[in-house]
Amino acid sequence: GQNIDQPTEMTATEGAIVQINCTYQTSGFNGLFWYQQHAGEAPTFLSYNVLDGLEEKGRFSSFLSRSKGYSYLLLKELQMKDSASYLCAVLNDYKLSFGAGTTVTVRA
Amino acid sequence: GAVVSQHPSRVICKSGTSVKIECRSLDFQATTMFWYRQFPKKSLMLMATSNEGSKATYEQGVEKDKFLINHASLTLSTLTVTSAHPEDSSFYICSAEPAGFNEQYFGPGTRLTVT
Repeated sequence: GQNIDQPTEMTATEGAIVQINCTYQTSGFNGLFWYQQHAGEAPTFLSYNVLDGLEEKGRFSSFLSRSKGYSYLLLKELQMKDSASYLCAVLNDYKLSFGAGTTVTVRA
Repeated sequence: GAVVSQHPSRVICKSGTSVKIECRSLDFQATTMFWYRQFPKKSLMLMATSNEGSKATYEQGVEKDKFLINHASLTLSTLTVTSAHPEDSSFYICSAEPAGFNEQYFGPGTRLTVT
């Protein structure tokens, strides 16, 4: 089976940095995705890691350690619009398995 | 680019009726489309994988006779919830994957409420 864990909720202040951790135990691995999802909307792509290391894209960065089954999404210079659910998803063969999502609340 | 649409965005139906949800890739051809359902504050759960011109592959525990999937063209997949019951009320999301890519593009979702 697939086991993907991430914290349920996180709260941070506007302008701050938040790190969302994701650990996974899956039967196979072809990459890890991070998505942002606002309530009642579809997920939107944020990042994709298949090799170990840090991928930086503007205010968002994602890190992967395959040996540890671990990834994190780093959100910098938080803005109010970043309040959303962040989903960690592991690609195994052609299927995506999702974590339950981390709800990030940004406060002024 | 890479836009996926779903129709309808919201639907309310009576128990026992059937509902069809369409998923379209607007600017690319999708050899594979996926159907997910999501309960409030829960993760997306893959229901089935739909390949153009062949039968869908259903995940364990998903009734293929209840959730009929048709992928008749490279830009359209449909999910029909047959004999809907209140417990089928959920947020249904499709995604489409261009040939040769690992990335899925998600539709905006369909909120189904069965009364």
